[in-house]
Amino acid sequence: DAKTTQPNSMESNEEEPVHLPCNHSTISGTDYIHWYRQLPSQGPEYVIHGLTSNVNNRMASLAIAEDRKSSTLILHRATLRDAAVYYCILSASNTGNQFYFGTGTSLTVIP
Amino acid sequence: KAGVTQTPRYLIKTRGQQVTLSCSPISGHRSVSWYQQTPGQGLQFLFEYFSETQRNKGNFPGRFSGRQFSNSRSEMNVSTLELGDSALYLCASSSGASGRVFETQYFGPGTRLLVL
Repeated sequence: DAKTTQPNSMESNEEEPVHLPCNHSTISGTDYIHWYRQLPSQGPEYVIHGLTSNVNNRMASLAIAEDRKSSTLILHRATLRDAAVYYCILSASNTGNQFYFGTGTSLTVIP
Repeated sequence: KAGVTQTPRYLIKTRGQQVTLSCSPISGHRSVSWYQQTPGQGLQFLFEYFSETQRNKGNFPGRFSGRQFSNSRSEMNVSTLELGDSALYLCASSSGASGRVFETQYFGPGTRLLVL
């Protein structure tokens, strides 16, 4: 199973940027990196994904290390609605939709 | 489009009973995956169905089974319930259009199962 390691919890002040780290030292060349988040009492929702290059979308940015052994999810301005558990996930190309979730990082946003 | 729906939302069963959970994917989606979420083990992959066939399977005992119908709706069944089966069961759908490459998964709200 592809493994990821994340801090258990992080805090951020509202309207400040948040950098959520993820280590995936056993990543293989064809593994994609995904980030999902789970708000309280909801199922996980997609945030962003990437393979090798940094990625941006309306929700966040994903910075991938050159050796791909780590990545960072960047929320540019945290809001109270961003308080959630953030999961960094690897998926292998031959098992596409079979996601292995790590323990995730619980993000607290302080008003 | 309507999102992924799961029924029932809450369920209480006793040890030894069996349970069937239902998942209706987003219209047009052909892949449905099931996950179990517990405080101790986190989110764990159970299985994935695509076009009525099981495509991937996680590391769960045979008491956990599933199926998918021709309209892509999926059910999962747990027989001989144990206390440790108490969990939030989540299903996720994806289009299935890109074959084996991953796709964005859309999760339902889950069914919370309590085994007494």
